[in-house]
Amino acid sequence: QKEVEQDPGPLSVPEGAIVSLNCTYSNSAFQYFMWYRQYSRKGPELLMYTYSSGNKEDGRFTAQVDKSSKYISLFIRDSQPSDSATYLCAMSGTKRNNRLAFGKGNQVVVIP
Amino acid sequence: DAGVIQSPRHEVTEMGQEVTLRCKPISGHDYLFWYRQTMMRGLELLIYFNNNVPIDDSGMPEDRFSAKMPNASFSTLKIQPSEPRDSAVYFCASTLGLAGTTGELFFGEGSRLTVL
Repeated sequence: QKEVEQDPGPLSVPEGAIVSLNCTYSNSAFQYFMWYRQYSRKGPELLMYTYSSGNKEDGRFTAQVDKSSKYISLFIRDSQPSDSATYLCAMSGTKRNNRLAFGKGNQVVVIP
Repeated sequence: DAGVIQSPRHEVTEMGQEVTLRCKPISGHDYLFWYRQTMMRGLELLIYFNNNVPIDDSGMPEDRFSAKMPNASFSTLKIQPSEPRDSAVYFCASTLGLAGTTGELFFGEGSRLTVL
């Protein structure tokens, strides 16, 4: 079993819809949870960062962590065509992030 | 700041040839990472350095792969000899490992390698 599972299936939504992405993980030592966004032909960039369980909101983006279920989610409200990208979850047991475990990524397409 | 700079952006080579990928991290960052990304396997950590010293190279797939960081502003990833299965996008990333920081990784734009 991979440390981090993320269904890579492409997701197409109409503009304005809510996008829901999630990852599951097996390592209970993970405490730091991140979502990276990767535009086509670019490197990933950090979108959201959370520590331990709970919710974090930043504008239209909400990250949720449920450590008891080993499940994290990213929600994008009022999705825009500019949100079209691949979203990768990442997690680590240490703050140094020198052993980040990445999911495979979810490709999201927001249709105008 | 110019961000992490990688070269070349694209490389097409034939099987058996040597490939050298280059990376300039963000000035002041003390950690440097090399990742490989493919559709099948996603983003995989190959090796990382701290203060120019290789710390963990357990992700390097074979002896054909080697990485160096001769100084704080330059690193190379070399594949010799290259094989078609090495075709992937190779990313370099850097970060500042200071207490109180998030440890956010800053990625370059990647080097897309195709081995024929």
